[in-house]
Amino acid sequence: DIQMTQSPSSLSASVGDRVTITCQASQDISNYLNWYQQKPGKAPKLLIYDASNLETGVPSRFSGSGSGTDFTFTISSLQPEDIATYYCQQYDNLLPTFGQGTRLEIK
Amino acid sequence: EVQLVESGGGLVQPGGSLRLSCAASGFTFSNYDMHWVRQATGKGLEWVSGIGTAGDTYYPGSVKGRFTISRENAKNSLYLQMNSLRAGDTAVYYCARLGYTAMGPNGMDVWGQGTTVTVSS
Repeated sequence: DIQMTQSPSSLSASVGDRVTITCQASQDISNYLNWYQQKPGKAPKLLIYDASNLETGVPSRFSGSGSGTDFTFTISSLQPEDIATYYCQQYDNLLPTFGQGTRLEIK
Repeated sequence: EVQLVESGGGLVQPGGSLRLSCAASGFTFSNYDMHWVRQATGKGLEWVSGIGTAGDTYYPGSVKGRFTISRENAKNSLYLQMNSLRAGDTAVYYCARLGYTAMGPNGMDVWGQGTTVTVSS
């Protein structure tokens, strides 16, 4: 199975800060990488697909980049409503796997 | 409105069985791959099964041989039959749709609200 290593596991930042989360795959997954946001008690929400494509309706402060094994998720200017846990997920093969998650808190 | 609604969760003893259902509406169900993803309390997301439009099925090693995913397109429904349940299977179970763009499949773009499975004696 392809393992996804996400870091950091938690992050505290101030409103307006630029926030970056990284995800590393155990093998080359091309650009088959998605990012999800999950707020407490809610289902996950797809934010970024194919490593860098913004899902319809998602604010442009969210972005993603990378290919191969190393990927980055960025919030350009943190807003209070962005407090959530973020997950990367690969779909290079037919067995998708998620990263461990990054819990984002307001400082 | 595009919607997925799970049902069938509950309390079951170790070694027991449970069948989850997911009712889809607002889109052509038969055209989409579907998945089940679970989340134990305070833990991360774990993919547990997927089914293609042709009925092809996929499982991770942790549930292979114990869980069976199926679909009934005429009823716009997805199912997860779970047998030989263990305490470690306790989680919220979500069904999710695999979205598509012109370039091919992308992410799980529609999720249900989840149904809770508790395995305990």
